[in-house]
Amino acid sequence: DAGVIQSPRHEVTEMGQEVTLRCKPISGHDYLFWYRQTMMRGLELLIYFNNNVPIDDSGMPEDRFSAKMPNASFSTLKIQPSEPRDSAVYFCASSLSSLGTGLQYEQYFGPGTRLTVT
Amino acid sequence: KNEVEQSPQNLTAQEGEFITINCSYSVGISALHWLQQHPGGGIVSLFMLSSGKKKHGRLIATINIQEKHSSLHITASHPRDSAVYICAVRFATNKLIFGTGTLLAVQP
Repeated sequence: DAGVIQSPRHEVTEMGQEVTLRCKPISGHDYLFWYRQTMMRGLELLIYFNNNVPIDDSGMPEDRFSAKMPNASFSTLKIQPSEPRDSAVYFCASSLSSLGTGLQYEQYFGPGTRLTVT
Repeated sequence: KNEVEQSPQNLTAQEGEFITINCSYSVGISALHWLQQHPGGGIVSLFMLSSGKKKHGRLIATINIQEKHSSLHITASHPRDSAVYICAVRFATNKLIFGTGTLLAVQP
């Protein structure tokens, strides 16, 4: 398996522009997570999905951020309009859960998208 | 107060030394993860544990549920172990909360 795939790997955009980050989870995994990493705040959970349904989006900073998972093999994180403070590395991760308990096994992280908003 | 606290924040060791990184958390959890992030930025899951001890090569992770504490040990450390080590706790909701990380530098 190719692992979790994210694109683009690097994105530089101007303030006010729309940014779309993409993620393809590992095939068969039923959980998908979006994280943001900054020097100031470290790693933070933004939102996660289970079986394509958003479960917890309490980490999404504000209405400018939205995430979708139209099917089991694709998710997007969109920022509109982007601001310089959104500059960070955005990670997508996926995991499998136990059929019996629903608890996750370990998470597999993608390589991240480094976003710079000027 | 952070729900997950790691110590030390920075650690410099000589090659071959035994290394311990600690993680304490304040609430009940369903599991604890240890992650490794290399200078290139990629994140790798090292361990997921909910009790006892796990070993993989030179890495050992332990957890004490009663004391809400976990340790990551590296035996016979090597410069290639230089990375940021991150502790994360998982709640029954499957949400992860991360520690601030420990920056480890192993000098030859």
